[in-house]
Amino acid sequence: EAGVAQSPRYKIIEKRQSVAFWCNPISGHATLYWYQQILGQGPKLLIQFQNNGVVDDSQLPKDRFSAERLKGVDSTLKIQPAKLEDSAVYLCASSLFHTMNTEAFFGQGTRLTVV
Amino acid sequence: KQEVTQIPAALSVPEGENLVLNCSFTDSAIYNLQWFRQDPGKGLTSLLLIQSSQREQTSGRLNASLDKSSGRSTLYIAASQPGDSATYLCATSGGSYIPTFGRGTSLIVHP
Repeated sequence: EAGVAQSPRYKIIEKRQSVAFWCNPISGHATLYWYQQILGQGPKLLIQFQNNGVVDDSQLPKDRFSAERLKGVDSTLKIQPAKLEDSAVYLCASSLFHTMNTEAFFGQGTRLTVV
Repeated sequence: KQEVTQIPAALSVPEGENLVLNCSFTDSAIYNLQWFRQDPGKGLTSLLLIQSSQREQTSGRLNASLDKSSGRSTLYIAASQPGDSATYLCATSGGSYIPTFGRGTSLIVHP
């Protein structure tokens, strides 16, 4: 079974530029998560999708971050414009169902450096 | 708001020791608790998932317990090996709050 795929693996951009990350979840997984992990901290949930609807985006900085899930499968996360404090690893995860006793599987992550 | 705390933050042990990693959470109304392993520069690998109705789960040398009433989970690693060196994270999921992670325990097992 293929895992969660993310691209790119690494990205370096200058502040005020824009960047986009892509995620392909495990086939059949209805729930998709985007997390931000700053060095030395645990992952912080940015947005959670159930199929192509948003379950929670309370911690997404909506003035600069946006995310969509195309046809309930692939997802993209965009930052525009980027700030220095956005430097982090962006992790995508998927699970069969929303919250209820199902295991979450993570991709390798995209390491973003904003200079 | 759920808060998850992991103790210790870092641990360095010789090979062969049995280890206990602790995870505590403030809201006991969880659906499940999951333990992950994260290697440097990599994503998270799921180790064990404990449902809210369960007390423990085992996989190989790993055993995780859950005590909802006291808001605690423990990950026990038996006969540690250098290959166990990684950061171990716990995360809770519940109906009234978003999935929440602790900061992790960084483990080094030296030969």
